[in-house]
Amino acid sequence: EAQVTQNPRYLITVTGKKLTVTCSQNMNHEYMSWYRQDPGLGLRQIYYSMNVEVTDKGDVPEGYKVSRKEKRNFPLILESPSPNQTSLYFCASSWRPRAGELFFGEGSRLTVL
Amino acid sequence: AQTVTQSQPEMSVQEAETVTLSCTYDTSENNYYLFWYKQPPSRQMILVIRQEAYKQQNATENRFSVNFQKAAKSFSLKISDSQLGDTAMYFCAFMKHEVTDKLIFGTGTRLQVFP
Repeated sequence: EAQVTQNPRYLITVTGKKLTVTCSQNMNHEYMSWYRQDPGLGLRQIYYSMNVEVTDKGDVPEGYKVSRKEKRNFPLILESPSPNQTSLYFCASSWRPRAGELFFGEGSRLTVL
Repeated sequence: AQTVTQSQPEMSVQEAETVTLSCTYDTSENNYYLFWYKQPPSRQMILVIRQEAYKQQNATENRFSVNFQKAAKSFSLKISDSQLGDTAMYFCAFMKHEVTDKLIFGTGTRLQVFP
């Protein structure tokens, strides 16, 4: 089954404790990205990757890091989480010939106390 | 910079009726894509419909259709014969042509379908 898998789905952590949200896709997509969803703001792009070892900032990259060492994986790293990073996070992937048709993961609800 | 505006935070409709969700956008681009995504209570984002700006014909997908007015920069979604499973948050989104697959989302419209 074609899917984008994120883990964890839910996480409560404390300020400053490093965490990683994993994302894996099994569709051989080149393009992957991370979004955060906040009430009244919709979804905003954090980082994206056009291919292995190619990553770039989206609209709200502050406080986040990413890496793309393998085509299927695109983890999101919060080195020192802060309460303003409490949000719902989505990983997405896509296949360029059908531009914009993103396949989304099920979301990761992160709470930073 | 591109912006997407959804002016209806919440809407409701009775089962089997038709409802239209509004979306306007601002861009200086001539070639771009527009999308409607659905987010049911399960949180999964699902693509509902896709429109390419260079195509004059409005996209349709079964009960879902759009009214794309390029000059007015308007992209509304019509849901016909509404079903209870259509209850969800609906996001309008914009993407420049052949750029980075970066979607600019609106703030969403929460649709409730009543029996």
